[in-house]
Amino acid sequence: QKEVEQNSGPLSVPEGAIASLNCTYSDRGSQSFFWYRQYSGKSPELIMSIYSNGDKEDGRFTAQLNKASQYVSLLIRDSQPSDSATYLCAVNVNGNKLVFGAGTILRVKS
Amino acid sequence: DAGVIQSPRHEVTEMGQEVTLRCKPISGHNSLFWYRQTMMRGLELLIYFNNNVPIDDSGMPEDRFSAKMPNASFSTLKIQPSEPRDSAVYFCASSPKGGAGTLYEQYFGPGTRLTVT
Repeated sequence: QKEVEQNSGPLSVPEGAIASLNCTYSDRGSQSFFWYRQYSGKSPELIMSIYSNGDKEDGRFTAQLNKASQYVSLLIRDSQPSDSATYLCAVNVNGNKLVFGAGTILRVKS
Repeated sequence: DAGVIQSPRHEVTEMGQEVTLRCKPISGHNSLFWYRQTMMRGLELLIYFNNNVPIDDSGMPEDRFSAKMPNASFSTLKIQPSEPRDSAVYFCASSPKGGAGTLYEQYFGPGTRLTVT
């Protein structure tokens, strides 16, 4: 079992819709969870971090964490074509480093 | 503030040559990470440093790879000798704090695209 799993996609949503990206992880001791956005040919850019169960909102982005289910998600409201990118879920394992999922490709169609 | 700086941005070299990648972390950040990204394997952690000390190098693929951090503002990743399978994008990232039991957000540099022919 991979440590961090994501659906590779592509996930296609129409402009203005809500995009929902999901991630599961295997290490129950993980305490820190991150979402990165990576445009083609660019480096990963941190867009959200979450440490406690529940929801965390920042602008059009909402991160959701459920440690009991070992599940973290990212919702993007009012999706724009500029949101089209690969979204990487990252989880700390062994307390001291991040493991990244393979990423979900999001395509927002205008 | 300047972000993480990496050089060179692109490197093309022949098999068997030595390659040195350079990284300057964000000022004040205590932890530095080297990653490699390929289509097949995704983003892999190679090694990370806390306060200039290597903490975990279990991701370094083999003895041909080495990394140093002589001071808080500079790190190198060296491949000697290079092989075609080393072709990838190498990212450096830094984080404001480190140490056992703590982990904070990591900020990535622009990467070095390495091609070994």
